[in-house]
Amino acid sequence: EVQLVESGGGLVQPGGSLRLSCAPSGFTVSSNYMSWVRQAPGKGLEWVSLIYSGGSTYYADSVKGRFTISRDNSKNTLYLQMKSLRAEDTAVYYCARSRGLIAAAYFDYWGQGMLVTVSS
Amino acid sequence: QSVLTQPPSVSGAPGQRVTISCTGSSSNIGAGYDVHWYQQLPGTAPKLLMYGNSNRPSGVPDRISGSKSGTSASLAITGLQAEDEADYYCQSYDSSLSGVVFGGGTKLTVL
Repeated sequence: EVQLVESGGGLVQPGGSLRLSCAPSGFTVSSNYMSWVRQAPGKGLEWVSLIYSGGSTYYADSVKGRFTISRDNSKNTLYLQMKSLRAEDTAVYYCARSRGLIAAAYFDYWGQGMLVTVSS
Repeated sequence: QSVLTQPPSVSGAPGQRVTISCTGSSSNIGAGYDVHWYQQLPGTAPKLLMYGNSNRPSGVPDRISGSKSGTSASLAITGLQAEDEADYYCQSYDSSLSGVVFGGGTKLTVL
């Protein structure tokens, strides 16, 4: 059975940093495309970032230059390093397996989500 | 303001048919990019409901269907059931933004 287990969420001050992790079971991050999607409280879904199996990365304009998606194949873990956090980054963050290149991408398996709160 | 526009809410009685629209533009749906749909039950992660405009993943009942025409797409649910009450999101790609985009979401209420 496929599962994605996320960790690393929590409370952080504006301007601070946080690293999210996502460890899937049932498939390897190295051979799949992976994404992060977030959802602000009471709001809709917002795509954040995507990484191809070959290592190419893509970001939403709202996080470009501040967030970095990466993976550790030896640990079968996906990461999202977040810096210069703002109040508007407060959201539940989901990792998801992506299918297809970015122009045709969709997300077939999702983690349970973890809350990131940016507040002083 | 979402790039893809969905009605905030739709409703229907059990057994009825409802449709949820997703309206885009020439830089996303109208450019030929596929539309995908997700269902999100309260307090849970989204679940893939439809991919590639009209393809159902394994386990999604055939009373749920998707279509696309021009700059819009639609999700149709027939034989409405109480368990269908959820938020629904469409998703595509936008060439102007060079990124994945979601609709604002539609809350389906089963009366």
